[in-house]
Amino acid sequence: EDKVVQSPLSLVVHEGDTVTLNCSYEVTNFRSLLWYKQEKKAPTFLFMLTSSGIEKKSGRLSSILDKKELFSILNITATQTGDSAISLCAAALQGAQKLVFGQGTRLTINP
Amino acid sequence: DAGVIQSPRHEVTEMGQEVTLRCKPISGHNSLFWYRQTMMRGLELLIYFNNNVPIDDSGMPEDRFSAKMPNASFSTLKIQPSEPRDSAVYFCASSLTADSYNEQFFGPGTRLTVL
Repeated sequence: EDKVVQSPLSLVVHEGDTVTLNCSYEVTNFRSLLWYKQEKKAPTFLFMLTSSGIEKKSGRLSSILDKKELFSILNITATQTGDSAISLCAAALQGAQKLVFGQGTRLTINP
Repeated sequence: DAGVIQSPRHEVTEMGQEVTLRCKPISGHNSLFWYRQTMMRGLELLIYFNNNVPIDDSGMPEDRFSAKMPNASFSTLKIQPSEPRDSAVYFCASSLTADSYNEQFFGPGTRLTVL
């Protein structure tokens, strides 16, 4: 069975801290790894990673994929209270549009 | 573009009643997805359509759940009869083509409560 596991499930830090969120996957016919951010409503897209070792960055967020060890990390530096959200990762499969989501990491940034 | 539109945004119903959730994908998108999100199981794919045709419904929990896409701009997810364990947030998403390189855009969700 295809599976995506995120850790930690919940994380509380202070504003200004750096956080690293983990996502490991075990799927057949892996194609790419996606990160989404979910605040109060719908998930919104952050990154898509297809190749190992190539970091993607957007402001204070960055992410990298390791296809040998089957995991990805999402880093957020200089966190702000507005970063409080659920971070979701999902594995996309070859030959299908199906995304297999992890359970998410609930991130809380305290002032 | 208004994005993916879902209705209703909230639905409270009693066990045994029929529930119909509606979705309008982004214009020009050819693929549509129905997801269910709960605290226990996270975000799960129920079914998806390419060009109005159901491709994979292996995530539909049981026969009480059915989905249709009569045209490119409308889809429904029906639960009949509903049960308390169906309580969840149901998301509809759409993407441009039948290629997993394309980002999926999510609607605001329908929060369903079955009493």
